[in-house]
Amino acid sequence: GNSVTQMEGPVTLSEEAFLTINCTYTATGYPSLFWYVQYPGEGLQLLLKATKADDKGSNKGFEATYRKETTSFHLEKGSVQVSDSAVYFCALNPSGAGSYQLTFGKGTKLSVIP
Amino acid sequence: ETGVTQSPTHLIKTRGQQVTLRCSSQSGHNTVSWYQQALGQGPQFIFQYYREEENGRGNFPPRFSGLQFPNYSSELNVNALELDDSALYLCASSPDSNTGELFFGEGSRLTVL
Repeated sequence: GNSVTQMEGPVTLSEEAFLTINCTYTATGYPSLFWYVQYPGEGLQLLLKATKADDKGSNKGFEATYRKETTSFHLEKGSVQVSDSAVYFCALNPSGAGSYQLTFGKGTKLSVIP
Repeated sequence: ETGVTQSPTHLIKTRGQQVTLRCSSQSGHNTVSWYQQALGQGPQFIFQYYREEENGRGNFPPRFSGLQFPNYSSELNVNALELDDSALYLCASSPDSNTGELFFGEGSRLTVL
C-alpha cells in the first residue's frame, strides 16, 4: 500500500536558520507529492506540490524536489521566520485521474524562536 | 470567494450515540472528501464524493457514511460512536480540474466520552 514517512518532531530552530524536513514515500506508479501546512488555529493548506520526477515545487521560500530514485520529497527553506511555526505534512496522491485520496505523513511540528 | 466551512466546530458525544458533521464546499468545487485526524497523527482518508456519488473509500467501517447534496455541500454521519472516534474531522473540496490539490476546512473536533 501507499505510505509516507516524515521525520519526527518537534523541530525547534532559531530565526534565519536553515530548515530541512525529511519525507520519504512508498507507492506504486507515479504519485503526485505535496507538502501541506497547518498553522495554529487554521485548516490545512497546500504549501507546494510536484507531479513528476525531478519537478521542484516552491512557495514562500520553501522548496522540495521530487526524487524518484530515492523516493523522497524533502522540504527545505534557507532562512526560517517566526511566522513559519506550524505543523508540516508530507502527502502523496496515487497515480490515477480524479482521485483525491491523499496519504499523509504524521506531521512535523516546527517552532521558530526569535 | 468563500472557502470550505464546517460545522459544528466542537462537539461532545457519548459512546453509542450518532453524530452528523456538515461541510460547505468552496464555490465551484464539485468533489468533497472527508478525513479523520487523530491527535498527533496525519489525516486519514475516509471517503470522497463526486456529483453526489461516493467514488472512493478508505479503511473505515460502514458506520461511517456520508452524503453529498446537489449544491455540493456534504455530511459525514457516524453511528454507534466509539471512544476511538474522538478526532478532528476535516472536510476538503476540490475543483474538477484534477490538480490533486485539496482545500480544507478548519475541521470539527469530536470528543466521545
